[in-house]
Amino acid sequence: AQTVTQSQPEMSVQEAETVTLSCTYDTSENNYYLFWYKQPPSRQMILVIRQEAYKQQNATENRFSVNFQKAAKSFSLKISDSQLGDTAMYFCAFHSPGSGNTPLVFGKGTRLSVIA
Amino acid sequence: DGGITQSPKYLFRKEGQNVTLSCEQNLNHDAMYWYRQDPGQGLRLIYYSQIVNDFQKGDIAEGYSVSREKKESFPLTVTSAQKNPTAFYLCASSPLFSGANVLTFGAGSRLTVL
Repeated sequence: AQTVTQSQPEMSVQEAETVTLSCTYDTSENNYYLFWYKQPPSRQMILVIRQEAYKQQNATENRFSVNFQKAAKSFSLKISDSQLGDTAMYFCAFHSPGSGNTPLVFGKGTRLSVIA
Repeated sequence: DGGITQSPKYLFRKEGQNVTLSCEQNLNHDAMYWYRQDPGQGLRLIYYSQIVNDFQKGDIAEGYSVSREKKESFPLTVTSAQKNPTAFYLCASSPLFSGANVLTFGAGSRLTVL
């Protein structure tokens, strides 16, 4: 079974600084997708970014980018120019379409606080 | 606008009572999911359904039941057999053959057992 590990329960960053959230996963699949979801204090889950394992290039969405290291099974999220609105829980998630449309597996989350 | 509607947003229940959480989507998604969220535990899968009249147990299905009589609706019943039901419940949906299986989430329901 696939597992997702987020080793940082809590992190903080100064406004305008850069922060990196860590995520590792375990799988024997070769084709899969990785995601970062954000859950702000409203508790509405929002997709931040996704990465397809067969793509070498790291995904980027504005201030959010990932460092995908397939061999190391690592998928970290970098937030540049942190803003107060980035304060949220961040969840890393894994999905492999090869075994049917099985649900996403989530990590336990990292609580990020952006400090003014 | 398309989306997922969960109700109620807050629910209080006495011990021994069953309670049903509603989840409705108008995204025409085939698959629907229920996750439970507890502090420090992330999201844990309760049940999911990929087609009407069919559903599968997730990792923590004990004490819960679901039905999928319509594509748009996937209600979750928290039964009295669930030993620790106080939690935040999230419903989600996705297209069935989207490859990336991107989930769209509802706003959640907070259940408190008194």
